[in-house]
Amino acid sequence: NAGVTQTPKFRILKIGQSMTLQCTQDMNHNYMYWYRQDPGMGLKLIYYSVGAGITDKGEVPNGYNVSRSTTEDFPLRLELAAPSQTSVYFCASKTNANYGYTFGSGTRLTVV
Amino acid sequence: QQQVKQSPQSLIVQKGGISIINCAYENTAFDYFPWYQQFPGKGPALLIAIRPDVSEKKEGRFTISFNKSAKQFSLHIMDSQPGDSATYFCAASMSSNTGKLIFGQGTTLQVKP
Repeated sequence: NAGVTQTPKFRILKIGQSMTLQCTQDMNHNYMYWYRQDPGMGLKLIYYSVGAGITDKGEVPNGYNVSRSTTEDFPLRLELAAPSQTSVYFCASKTNANYGYTFGSGTRLTVV
Repeated sequence: QQQVKQSPQSLIVQKGGISIINCAYENTAFDYFPWYQQFPGKGPALLIAIRPDVSEKKEGRFTISFNKSAKQFSLHIMDSQPGDSATYFCAASMSSNTGKLIFGQGTTLQVKP
């Protein structure tokens, strides 16, 4: 049972480039989330989804986009990368029945 | 009103001592308060959680104390061990709000041997 899998683990982007952070879970969880973690700031919610075909903005959505075509996958798209998007990105999922998130191991992104 | 404030930012404790991390919230609609533990290079992992209908929950050496009237909750780590050295996050959510967790700023704990 793999849980929540994020790829890539590390990435360096140049300003203005685009990329997709992949997230997939094999637990049949309906709820999925993208957070970014910056030092001393905790984790900030970027986007979330309560099921396939349904997405909504979190606290810091600007510069990002998501899609949820299947229950398993929840990719995060960065368009026109900026240095402010340098961060560690975590994907998480949970069932409807309980509130415990399962997190992936993260993607460390540097924009130069 | 959606914020969760966590303190201290960092904490150094001797092996065998008690580590205490505090969190405060404003939104009285929050009804789930988990603590997450994160080791370097890893994602956060659920450590222990509490709901506001109880004032304390204990799991092994980890205890959550909850004060509903003060809108505060804290994590106590008894007999702290070097293996407990990690970053700890408190969080809060509302069951009616799609389960979104609002996280505190995090506390980096170092337990010295």
